[in-house]
Amino acid sequence: NAGVTQTPKFRILKIGQSMTLQCTQDMNHNYMYWYRQDPGMGLKLIYYSVGAGITDKGEVPNGYNVSRSTTEDFPLRLELAAPSQTSVYFCASSPTAGQGSQDTEAFFGQGTRLTVV
Amino acid sequence: GENVEQHPSTLSVQEGDSAVIKCTYSDSASNYFPWYKQELGKRPQLIIDIRSNVGEKKDQRIAVTLNKTAKHFSLHITETQPEDSAVYFCAASKKDSSYKLIFGSGTRLLVRP
Repeated sequence: NAGVTQTPKFRILKIGQSMTLQCTQDMNHNYMYWYRQDPGMGLKLIYYSVGAGITDKGEVPNGYNVSRSTTEDFPLRLELAAPSQTSVYFCASSPTAGQGSQDTEAFFGQGTRLTVV
Repeated sequence: GENVEQHPSTLSVQEGDSAVIKCTYSDSASNYFPWYKQELGKRPQLIIDIRSNVGEKKDQRIAVTLNKTAKHFSLHITETQPEDSAVYFCAASKKDSSYKLIFGSGTRLLVRP
């Protein structure tokens, strides 16, 4: 299993541009999450999904959109990029309770470092 | 919603000493409390977790304690080693429809050789 895979690893955007951060997992996890981590700070939840077709806002959703058309994929869309969106973005997934012995462990991707200039 | 506070923000200890990191949470319905370790430039990785039906859990040199009444939980690392140097995050979640984790702000641990 590859686990949680994010692309790209690095990206520089100009103010006002848009982009999609890709996230895919091959563990058949129902729950998926997007977090951002600002330098020297903790992780803030942007959006999450409990299954295909279902998404919901987290702590800091403004400026972002998500979709979940399949169990495997959970892309994060940035519209009209702003300098305040400069951050490291982590995608994570976790199984539904009962799928595994550690039924709530979240597995993280390697992150996407985004700079908006 | 849930709010998790973590202290201290930085911690420096001598190799071999113990390190303790503390977190408090606000939502009494939270029932799952993991700790993640993040090395520089890497992804967070789970090191230990505890559920609300348990007061303490230990795994070799690391242990976590939970006080549900006071709504706080702590990470204890004994016999620290230089490779323990990293940023540690606590988190809380509850068994509603999402298991979404709300993280503390992190503790940067430095173990001096």
